[in-house]
This record gives sequence, structure tokens and C-alpha cells, in this order.
Amino acid sequence: NAGVTQTPKFQVLKTGQSMTLQCAQDMNHEYMSWYRQDPGMGLRLIHYSVGAGITDQGEVPNGYNVSRSTTEDFPLRLLSAAPSQTSVYFCASSNHRGLRDTEAFFGQGTRLTVV
Amino acid sequence: KQEVTQIPAALSVPEGENLVLNCSFTDSAIYNLQWFRQDPGKGLTSLLLIQSSQREQTSGRLNASLDKSSGRSTLYIAASQPGDSATYLCAVKIRGGSNYKLTFGKGTLLTVNP
Repeated sequence: NAGVTQTPKFQVLKTGQSMTLQCAQDMNHEYMSWYRQDPGMGLRLIHYSVGAGITDQGEVPNGYNVSRSTTEDFPLRLLSAAPSQTSVYFCASSNHRGLRDTEAFFGQGTRLTVV
Repeated sequence: KQEVTQIPAALSVPEGENLVLNCSFTDSAIYNLQWFRQDPGKGLTSLLLIQSSQREQTSGRLNASLDKSSGRSTLYIAASQPGDSATYLCAVKIRGGSNYKLTFGKGTLLTVNP
């Protein structure tokens, strides 16, 4: 099983450039989310989606856009990259049944450096 | 706002020792708690998921407990091995408006020495 696949694994951007981080899952999960992980800050939620066509903001949404046109894909767009967005980005998915949730699965991460 | 704390931040033990990692959360209105493992430069791997109605879950040498009323969970690792060296993260699922969110602790870095 592929699980959650993120591309690219590594990326270097110049300040002001835009790019899209890709995330795909093949488990038919309803719930997908994006996190960033920074030293000393832990994992922080950027955006999430509870199904196709439905997205919402997390803890640190500024500078990022998302869309969910299919169940499988949940891309994260950086509109105008800034050095503060240098981080490791993780995509996660799970089934979402409130009290009877399944476990969350994470991708391998995208290490982004903005210079 | 839900806050998740993990103590200790780092732990070093000799191989074969039994150990306990701690996780505490401030709001007991959680749906579940999940323990993850993260190896350097890698993603998160789910270890155990405890639903809010459960008290513990076991998988091999791992046992996780949950006490919602006191806002605590522990991850017990029996007979530790060097391969257990990693960062261990706990996360609680809470309700945010009409949706649900995972809130993470900052993790415990475990080193098991041969």
C-alpha cells in the first residue's frame, strides 16, 4: 500500500517564488491535513479538509492556500515564499468518525528551504 | 485552548530497561489520543490509538494508557532495544467548531544505548 505520498521530498525556493506541495492518499480517507514541523515548536496545523470541496484553517494558515477537489489529493500552495516558511511539511490522512476514528497516517515529509 | 505536554523532553536508557513516557493534556474533552514514533528525517508512524472510551491499548512491547479525567496518558515500553531510539509524540483529537483537529506534544527523544 502506498499510504500517504508527498512530493517533492526536498525543495529550495527563492523569496517571493510560489510552489505547490503535493499530497495524495490511496486509503479513501475523508480527513486530510497539512502540518509544519519546526525545532522547538512541534507540529502545527496549517489547513485541513473533512472531504472533497471542504477546507478550513488550522493554527498557522497565513501564506498558504489549499483546495480539495478529489478525495485522494490535498495540495498545499505557497503563494509568495518567505524565509519564515522554511520548515518540514507533513501531510496526514485518516478516517473521521468522531468517537470511532481510525489512526492518522503521515507522509514522509517535504523539507523546504526558502532563501 | 488544548495544550499537550510531554515529559521528559529527552531520555537515555540502557538496553533492556523498561521505561515510561508521559503525555498530559489540559482539556479532557478529547475524542482519542494517539502515540507516534518519528525517526530522524522521517515521517510519523502511528504506534497506538486509544479511543476516549478506552483505558489502554497494547501492541507487542508497547502499552499505552489513558486517564481522561486527569488529562494523562503514558506509553510503556518493555525491554527496550536500540531500535526503539526515536522521538515519540502524543497527539489528542479535539473538536474545533464543526470539525476535528489533532494537537501534538513536542515529543520525547528516546535513546536506548547498547
